[in-house]
Amino acid sequence: RKEVEQDPGPFNVPEGATVAFNCTYSNSASQSFFWYRQDCRKEPKLLMSVYSSGNEDGRFTAQLNRASQYISLLIRDSKLSDSATYLCVVIRGSASKIIFGSGTRLSIRP
Amino acid sequence: GAGVSQSPSNKVTEKGKDVELRCDPISGHTALYWYRQSLGQGLEFLIYFQGNSAPDKSGLPSDRFSAERTGGSVSTLTIQRTQQEDSAVYLCASSLAASGGQHEQYFGPGTRLTVT
Repeated sequence: RKEVEQDPGPFNVPEGATVAFNCTYSNSASQSFFWYRQDCRKEPKLLMSVYSSGNEDGRFTAQLNRASQYISLLIRDSKLSDSATYLCVVIRGSASKIIFGSGTRLSIRP
Repeated sequence: GAGVSQSPSNKVTEKGKDVELRCDPISGHTALYWYRQSLGQGLEFLIYFQGNSAPDKSGLPSDRFSAERTGGSVSTLTIQRTQQEDSAVYLCASSLAASGGQHEQYFGPGTRLTVT
């Protein structure tokens, strides 16, 4: 079993819809969490950090559930430009324990 | 300000040749990371530097891979005697530090390596 798991998708939703996906992690010692987005054939770009209290940035909301060991990303009023692969990142201990999930592919249709 | 830069952007090499990939991190970022990503796959961590030292090299896939960082800035990843399975995009990232909640990484555009 992978230490960080994501549903690969693809999630195919209409423009304007709300979509959410999770990322589960297996090591309870995990300390920091992030969401990145990666467009096709581009480098990953930091989307947002995930704080214990949850955080919101415009249409994006990230949550952390330590008890169940997952983080979530919610996108409201989705735009065509939201189409990308969303990678979750889990960090425990030193920088050598940075683990990227394999990503969830999201496709927004007109 | 300038982001992370990598060179070359594309490299095609013959099996058995050595290649050197370069990464210029964001100025002031003390931590630097190397990853590779095969087509349609997730990121595979290779190595990270805090300053000039690499505390953990266990992510390097074989002893044909090595990396160094001098002056706390530019890093080079060297692959000796390249094999076809080395073909991938090699991504470099930097962050302010490698600990203390400063892990937010900024990626370069990558070097696409093709071994023929």
